[in-house]
Amino acid sequence: AQKITQTQPGMFVQEKEAVTLDCTYDTSDQSYGLFWYKQPSSGEMIFLIYQGSYDEQNATEGRYSLNFQKARKSANLVISASQLGDSAMYFCAMRDFATDSWGKLQFGAGTQVVVTP
Amino acid sequence: DVKVTQSSRYLVKRTGEKVFLECVQDMDHENMFWYRQDPGLGLRLIYFSYDVKMKEKGDIPEGYSVSREKKERFSLILESASTNQTSMYLCASSLSGLAGVWELFFGEGSRLTVL
Repeated sequence: AQKITQTQPGMFVQEKEAVTLDCTYDTSDQSYGLFWYKQPSSGEMIFLIYQGSYDEQNATEGRYSLNFQKARKSANLVISASQLGDSAMYFCAMRDFATDSWGKLQFGAGTQVVVTP
Repeated sequence: DVKVTQSSRYLVKRTGEKVFLECVQDMDHENMFWYRQDPGLGLRLIYFSYDVKMKEKGDIPEGYSVSREKKERFSLILESASTNQTSMYLCASSLSGLAGVWELFFGEGSRLTVL
C-alpha cells in the first residue's frame, strides 16, 4: 500500500524567505507521479507542481521547486521568496501509474504554512 | 476555464437524514472522485467513477454511496448521516490516460455538519 508522510503539521516563515515542506512516500512501484497542492483558507485545492518518477530533472514552476530524491523516496517542496498569499495548507500526493488508470491520488496529512510580515 | 462546481458550500443535517452532495464538471472529464478531508488525516478517497454508471470504492466507502447518471455529474449520498461523517467533502475530476500530469481539478468543497 502506498503511503505519503508529511511530518510538519505547521510552519511559520517570514516574508521573502524560502521554506521547505517535507514529503516522503512509500511505494514498491517504479512508475509513479508526485503532486503538490495548495489549499488556501477558502477551501479550493490548487495544483502547484508535478514530478514524474522517471524525470531526470527536478520540477520547477515559478517560485515552486521540487527537491526530488528518488533513492530516499522524498519529494520536498521549496517555496522561494515567500509571500503573504502563500499562507495555506499544502498537500503532497502520489499517483501510482502501475496500478491506476484513472488518476487516483493518495494524499499526505498536509502542512499548514503561515507567512508572517 | 476549468470548473468543478459543488452545489452546497455549507450544510447542516441531523443524524439519520439522507444527504446528497452534488458535483458538476464542465471539462468533459471521464473520471470523477469524492474525497473526504479531516484535520491530521489529509484527503481520503471515498468513491470514484471512470464512466457513466461506473463506480469503484475508494479507501473509506462505508456509509456512503454514489451515483453517476450523466458524464458531468457525480453525486455522493449519505443514506443515514451520522455525526462521524461531519467533514469537508471535496469533489474532483480528471482526464483518463496513462502516465502524465493528469492532475485532479477540485471543487471548492462542501462542509457538512451532522448534529
